[in-house]
Amino acid sequence: GNSVTQMEGPVTLSEEAFLTINCTYTATGYPSLFWYVQYPGEGLQLLLKATKADDKGSNKGFEATYRKETTSFHLEKGSVQVSDSAVYFCALDTGGFKTIFGAGTRLFVKA
Amino acid sequence: GAVVSQHPSRVICKSGTSVKIECRSLDFQATTMFWYRQFPKQSLMLMATSNEGSKATYEQGVEKDKFLINHASLTLSTLTVTSAHPEDSSFYICSAAASQSNYGYTFGSGTRLTVV
Repeated sequence: GNSVTQMEGPVTLSEEAFLTINCTYTATGYPSLFWYVQYPGEGLQLLLKATKADDKGSNKGFEATYRKETTSFHLEKGSVQVSDSAVYFCALDTGGFKTIFGAGTRLFVKA
Repeated sequence: GAVVSQHPSRVICKSGTSVKIECRSLDFQATTMFWYRQFPKQSLMLMATSNEGSKATYEQGVEKDKFLINHASLTLSTLTVTSAHPEDSSFYICSAAASQSNYGYTFGSGTRLTVV
């Protein structure tokens, strides 16, 4: 079946450090891939998405590239800020109206 | 852009009472809405898929008599937690899609339910 695996957290970084959160997936067909962010006490917000192989999604300095050969969609940011502290969810959608989420990775950024 | 409004954001209720959570799509029509439950430090678990004008489709293990879902219009779905117990305390989030596509869904801001 379809599944998403992402690195366990928490991830703790200093401000301006480089961020990578790994995400791999298993899916039949050609899924769309997403990263969502959840700030404390809030719902999820779509951060970025990619709908086909080799697409790069980007937003607010975050990037992720859809790698079909490695079934990965790793999230990166070159310089994190304290305000980036949140939980990040990798997700996939095969178009069947069901989004499959990873377990989430909590990021703490220290000033 | 697409906005989903979810109310209330927080609710505390006594054990044995029922609580209704509303999810509204503000600027689009949502034929399908989804209800998720999130346990502390865990991912979202899909509870049910709510279809406008028809019965909701529940995921395996979700009690349909306990979690009543109504999708009476294209902009409103409600989740009622009936006879709530402390173990129902959780974060409930709805999401909606305007149309079928490989597309990210819009999420509500969530409801923190505490049953005392």
